[in-house]
Amino acid sequence: IAGITQAPTSQILAAGRRMTLRCTQDMRHNAMYWYRQDLGLGLRLIHYSNTAGTTGKGEVPDGYSVSRANTDDFPLTLASAVPSQTSVYFCASSASSVPADTQYFGPGTRLTVL
Amino acid sequence: LAKTTQPISMDSYEGQEVNITCSHNNIATNDYITWYQQFPSQGPRFIIQGYKTKVTNEVASLFIPADRKSSTLSLPRVSLSDTAVYYCLVGDILTGGGNKLTFGTGTQLKVEL
Repeated sequence: IAGITQAPTSQILAAGRRMTLRCTQDMRHNAMYWYRQDLGLGLRLIHYSNTAGTTGKGEVPDGYSVSRANTDDFPLTLASAVPSQTSVYFCASSASSVPADTQYFGPGTRLTVL
Repeated sequence: LAKTTQPISMDSYEGQEVNITCSHNNIATNDYITWYQQFPSQGPRFIIQGYKTKVTNEVASLFIPADRKSSTLSLPRVSLSDTAVYYCLVGDILTGGGNKLTFGTGTQLKVEL
């Protein structure tokens, strides 16, 4: 069982370029999340999806967009990357959207924007 | 949203018991307390969850007093491999909403020989 997979593992990107981070889960979970992790700031929620077809904004959504066309996939797009988006990005999922439900995390994508 | 406060960092030695306390003064009736562990270069993983009193599993114990305004994660006889960041979270068990959970900065536990 793969759980959650993310791609790419790491990426160096020129500022201004468009980038999509991929996230796929095989647990048939309803809810999915994107976090970014920066030194000293912990994990911050970017966007979330309570169920397929719906998305919502988290704590730091500016500069990012998401879509949830089906249950398994939850891509995160940076339309025009900026250096402040250099971070480690984690995708997560949970069976339901209740906050107490266990979240399962992917291995992360390390993104550097130059 | 119930805000949590936990120490930024803790140091310990192998074989010792480590207790990490988290305060959540405005916890609500439907909130559960969950702890996650994150190793370097990995995503967080669930370790334990509780509502009140004591919960124990193969990894840790969670102590929650009657007023539920704090909780303590107890790691028995830590080893070097327990060096990680530990997050305390408080979340509703009933009401959906993916944006209602905050991880914060966690507690960096460093275990030495």
